[in-house]
Amino acid sequence: DSGVTQTPKHLITATGQRVTLRCSPRSGDLSVYWYQQSLDQGLQFLIQYYNGEERAKGNILERFSAQQFPDLHSELNLSSLELGDSALYFCASSVEGGNYEQYFGPGTRLTVT
Amino acid sequence: AQSVAQPEDQVNVAEGNPLTVKCTYSVSGNPYLFWYVQYPNRGLQFLLKYITGDNLVKGSYGFEAEFNKSQTSFHLKKPSALVSDSALYFCAVRDGNFNKFYFGSGTKLNVKP
Repeated sequence: DSGVTQTPKHLITATGQRVTLRCSPRSGDLSVYWYQQSLDQGLQFLIQYYNGEERAKGNILERFSAQQFPDLHSELNLSSLELGDSALYFCASSVEGGNYEQYFGPGTRLTVT
Repeated sequence: AQSVAQPEDQVNVAEGNPLTVKCTYSVSGNPYLFWYVQYPNRGLQFLLKYITGDNLVKGSYGFEAEFNKSQTSFHLKKPSALVSDSALYFCAVRDGNFNKFYFGSGTKLNVKP
């Protein structure tokens, strides 16, 4: 158990809808990262937050947004969902920035129908 | 362009034999290199990292990796493979200039008894 929790485990929704994925980092970790894992595109870095502020942005679509709250938990919002958004979404946390190893949560499997 | 390449989709090894999982990278700044392992239906687990210093890095479960700057490689190795090492292995790099993370496509390691 990495200490990173993600909810929900599974999510099934329809095209055009909006969903929110939640992540609680390990105790003491200030950085949160979001990743998308799909069969055709592999593991893609989406975005990183550090202590409430956006630190780095990867291949995150404009339909997607994230935030990190004062208690350091993070939410990833996915809107106007398309079939291609079906994937496993991972959250990871680390003590600080990029020099430190990341601890991954179990993931949220999103299915868009 | 920044990237990580894992040239082998799958590596097959007999138990007790040495194993190597290959990784090459391309980043604009100093590379920060990581190896992660993923078991079925689980999140990624950190194995080891290279930030600076000795080119040979030792990590969890008897794994090690060698950083080769001239060949821009960071191959994962283990002297004696175990059946329980069978999993999906990801190489990752953080671009020191842009603070973004890139993951390879993953290599499935099969260790046969």
